[in-house]
Amino acid sequence: EVQLVESGGGLVQPGRSLRLSCAASGFTFDDYAMHWVRQAPGKGLEWVSGISWNSGSIGYADSVKGRFTISRDNAKNSLYLQMNSLRAEDTALYYCAKDMGIAVVGAFDIWGQGTMVTVSS
Amino acid sequence: QSALTQPRSVSGSPGQSVTISCTGTSSDVGGYNYVSWYQQHPGKAPKLMIYDVSKRPSGVPDRFSGSKSGNTASLTISGLQAEDEADYYCCSYAGSYTGVFGTGTKVTVL
Repeated sequence: EVQLVESGGGLVQPGRSLRLSCAASGFTFDDYAMHWVRQAPGKGLEWVSGISWNSGSIGYADSVKGRFTISRDNAKNSLYLQMNSLRAEDTALYYCAKDMGIAVVGAFDIWGQGTMVTVSS
Repeated sequence: QSALTQPRSVSGSPGQSVTISCTGTSSDVGGYNYVSWYQQHPGKAPKLMIYDVSKRPSGVPDRFSGSKSGNTASLTISGLQAEDEADYYCCSYAGSYTGVFGTGTKVTVL
């Protein structure tokens, strides 16, 4: 079964850090680009970051550039998002999503169930 | 990276057709044929309905179709059914390995 399972969310104070993980199974992980997409409570979807199959191409939304770092470990079939200097506006459900291709072009055919990040003092 | 513009809501009776627009710029929608559409039911993860402007993944009914003209993409749902009631989001590649979603549209089946 093709599956993405996120973990690492939780309650964190403003200015602190958090690392999200996404475990992939059921498909050849290193054949595809991967993404993080978030959704604030009651709000729409926001693309956060994407990484190509070999980590050679990486992109970030302006809202997280310089604070978040995406990475992947193809040997472990895992995707990561290191989030630093967290702000209240980063509070959201964070989804891991699989791209349909190797490059970062953004058609997400498989989604996890999300991990909730709450930034509050 | 401004969000693509979608109507807040559209509605139709069962069997009718509805069209959702998604307006961007020449830097995103108008510049690439990498527009995708997602359906999201409450409390659920999004589901891919259309990719590369007009292609349907396997398993998606052919009632769903996509198109693009200039800086505006569209999703049409023909033969509207009760289970189509959901939120719909467009997404476009925006260059430099980035993406941008639309503001989202709530589809109501009357």
